[in-house]
Amino acid sequence: EDQVTQSPEALRLQEGESSSLNCSYTVSGLRGLFWYRQDPGKGPEFLFTLYSAGEEKEKERLKATLTKKESFLHITAPKPEDSATYLCAVQGSGGYQKVTFGTGTKLQVIP
Amino acid sequence: EAGVAQSPRYKIIEKRQSVAFWCNPISGHATLYWYQQILGQGPKLLIQFQNNGVVDDSQLPKDRFSAERLKGVDSTLKIQPAKLEDSAVYLCASSLRDRDFTEAFFGQGTRLTVV
Repeated sequence: EDQVTQSPEALRLQEGESSSLNCSYTVSGLRGLFWYRQDPGKGPEFLFTLYSAGEEKEKERLKATLTKKESFLHITAPKPEDSATYLCAVQGSGGYQKVTFGTGTKLQVIP
Repeated sequence: EAGVAQSPRYKIIEKRQSVAFWCNPISGHATLYWYQQILGQGPKLLIQFQNNGVVDDSQLPKDRFSAERLKGVDSTLKIQPAKLEDSAVYLCASSLRDRDFTEAFFGQGTRLTVV
């Protein structure tokens, strides 16, 4: 069964203090690894899809990277508006494979 | 482009009562998902539809939960009877293609409290 483990559970940063969130996964063949952002009271919002080890994607202050066992979401010089829960999910390859989510990292950026 | 619409936003019911949630996906999206998100956890897939057909309902508690998608568009998720542990946010999502979760968009969810 596919498994996704995210760490840390919660992270508190000062504005401008860069850091990384980790997503470790176990899947039999990877079709895709997804990062989502979820604000309180809202549904998850899509950020990135990564398909193969070595791939990187960037969006504003966020950069996602992928290895064969884990993915990192790097946050450079975060701002208070980056505060949210960041969810990682994986989808295995081969026929139909459901998407499995991790429990998320709750990020708080303090001014 | 309109997003995924869900209603109601909030619902409070007593245990053993029944409740129904409604979802209208993005126009043209063939795949529709219902997820359950318990506080502090990630979303868990309950059921996935491809047009009118069910692709995956392996994690749906079928003794109390049911879902349908009429005419391949709107969908309803029903719980009867509700238990305390059903308290969660129920998220609906839709995507253009069956195997490409990248294009999945979520609604704002329905927060259910069972007392």
